[in-house]
Amino acid sequence: DSGVTQTPKHLITATGQRVTLRCSPRSGDLSVYWYQQSLDQGLQFLIQYYNGEERAKGNILERFSAQQFPDLHSELNLSSLELGDSALYFCASSVEGGRDPYNEQFFGPGTRLTVL
Amino acid sequence: DAKTTQPNSMESNEEEPVHLPCNHSTISGTDYIHWYRQLPSQGPEYVIHGLTSNVNNRMASLAIAEDRKSSTLILHRATLRDAAVYYCILKNSGGSNYKLTFGKGTLLTVNP
Repeated sequence: DSGVTQTPKHLITATGQRVTLRCSPRSGDLSVYWYQQSLDQGLQFLIQYYNGEERAKGNILERFSAQQFPDLHSELNLSSLELGDSALYFCASSVEGGRDPYNEQFFGPGTRLTVL
Repeated sequence: DAKTTQPNSMESNEEEPVHLPCNHSTISGTDYIHWYRQLPSQGPEYVIHGLTSNVNNRMASLAIAEDRKSSTLILHRATLRDAAVYYCILKNSGGSNYKLTFGKGTLLTVNP
């Protein structure tokens, strides 16, 4: 158990819909990262938040957005869903802002999104 | 990001040592070498990291070549629970090192 929790575990929805994925980081961790894992693209970094502020962006679509709340939990919002958005979405957390090369990231169990 | 190259798959027998190689010929002097693994149906988990010297922890050992262009993750006695995809990742000490850039990794199969 990494200490990172994600809800829900599974989500099935239809094209065009909007969903929200939730992540609670490990106690004391200020950074939250979101990753997407699909069969064709592998594991890809989407976005990072540090202490409530966006720190870095990766290959995140404009239809996707995220935020980190004062209690440090984070939500990833996916809208106008397409079939290709079906994937596993992982949240990870770390103590620091990610600028240290040795800081490890702790991953949650993931949310499996299926878009029909 | 500097690129890493790993074999697509490797096979081992239970209780035998496993050596997982990683080539990173374009590594820069400030790149740290990280290893993560992903067990079936789980999120990735940190295994070990190093810069120049060999490193040991409770999970594995990391052997780094003198020129740092390659490294090897060593599992001293593989168990069935070690069957996973192993990712070798470079993280720089400056600039945009916030993210982990995962390649395809090596799928390790452990035979009983």
